[in-house]
Order: sequence, then structure tokens, then C-alpha cells
Amino acid sequence: GQQVMQIPQYQHVQEGEDFTTYCNSSTTLSNIQWYKQRPGGHPVFLIQLVKSGEVKKQKRLTFQFGEAKKNSSLHITATQTTDVGTYFCAGSTGANNLFFGTGTRLTVIP
Amino acid sequence: KAGVTQTPRYLIKTRGQQVTLSCSPISGHRSVSWYQQTPGQGLQFLFEYFSETQRNKGNFPGRFSGRQFSNSRSEMNVSTLELGDSALYLCASSRVSGYGYTFGSGTRLTVV
Repeated sequence: GQQVMQIPQYQHVQEGEDFTTYCNSSTTLSNIQWYKQRPGGHPVFLIQLVKSGEVKKQKRLTFQFGEAKKNSSLHITATQTTDVGTYFCAGSTGANNLFFGTGTRLTVIP
Repeated sequence: KAGVTQTPRYLIKTRGQQVTLSCSPISGHRSVSWYQQTPGQGLQFLFEYFSETQRNKGNFPGRFSGRQFSNSRSEMNVSTLELGDSALYLCASSRVSGYGYTFGSGTRLTVV
């Protein structure tokens, strides 16, 4: 079955440091989505990437979709305490479901 | 506009009982998906409904079932509850199947 692996599982950074989480799929994806879940909350949609090699930015967040459409990354520049939470990638093959990655839990130390 | 509403927020059930969870999607969203979230297994896909039809089902036993009504509201049922069914059950809706889901706050089910 389809698997979406995410690394690292946990990341502790000092406030102001950068952070990156990586997502790898065993199969080619039609699109990849990123979600953020704050502690005690529910996942919130951040962005969707569709095109091979696509790069999108949202303020301090940069999202990339690999050329082979099997991997993706989320990079946060100069982390802030508001960035705390678990970041999930979710891959779709267009078969009407999303396979969520295992998530990266980010802790930001003030 | 109103978000995705899930009821109840918390539920405690005994092993062997059955439970029904409800999800009201955002108005205009016809796709409703259900996920189970546990610390050990992460977010696992249960099933998706679109216009009252189940489009896809995850790898869960037949004890887990769902349905969608003509107004897009969805229910999920779990029969013969087991301790391992304790989890946060999340419902997500989207206008287009597979894109940009909006999640509800979830129903936290505890089986004792």
C-alpha cells in the first residue's frame, strides 16, 4: 500500500533558527498537501503543490515538490514560538483519499 | 462561515458497545472524509464520501462504517468497540474531493 514517510519525527530548535521537514512517498503523487496541527488542536490546511518541481512560499514558510513528485519539503525560516506544532504532509494519487505522513513535531525554545 | 462541526466532542464507551459520531461539513462541501488519530499510528484514513457515495475506504475492519446524507452530513459508526478503538476521530470536508480539507475539532473516543 501507499506510504508517506516523514522525517524527522521530532525537532527542537532555538527560536530564530531554521527548520525543515521532509516527506517521501513510495509512489508518484498527483499532489501533496501540508497541514499544521497545534497541540490539542486539529490539522489545518496550509498549502497544496501539484506541479513537478513546484516551489511556493507563505511568509517564512517555503514548500517544495520534488521533480519526480515523490518527495516534498517544508522549510521555516527564523522560527517563532507560534510555529510550534506538528507538521504533516499528505499525499494523494488522485484516488479520492489522502495518505498522511507520520508528522514532524516542532518545539521552539524561546 | 461555519466550520466543520463534529459531535460529540468527547465520548466514553464500554467494550462491546457501539458508537455513532456525527459530522456536519462546511456548507457547499460535498466531500467528507474520516480519519482516526492515535499517538502510535498517526492519522489514518477511514473512508471518504462524496454525494452520498463511499468513494474509498481505508484498511479498517468492517466494524467501522459510515454514511453520508443528502445534505452532506456524515455519520461514522463503530460496532463492538475494542480498547484499541480509543482515539481522536477527525472529520474533514472539502469542496473538491482530495483537495484542501478543512478538519473539524474531532471526537475523542475513550473505550474502557
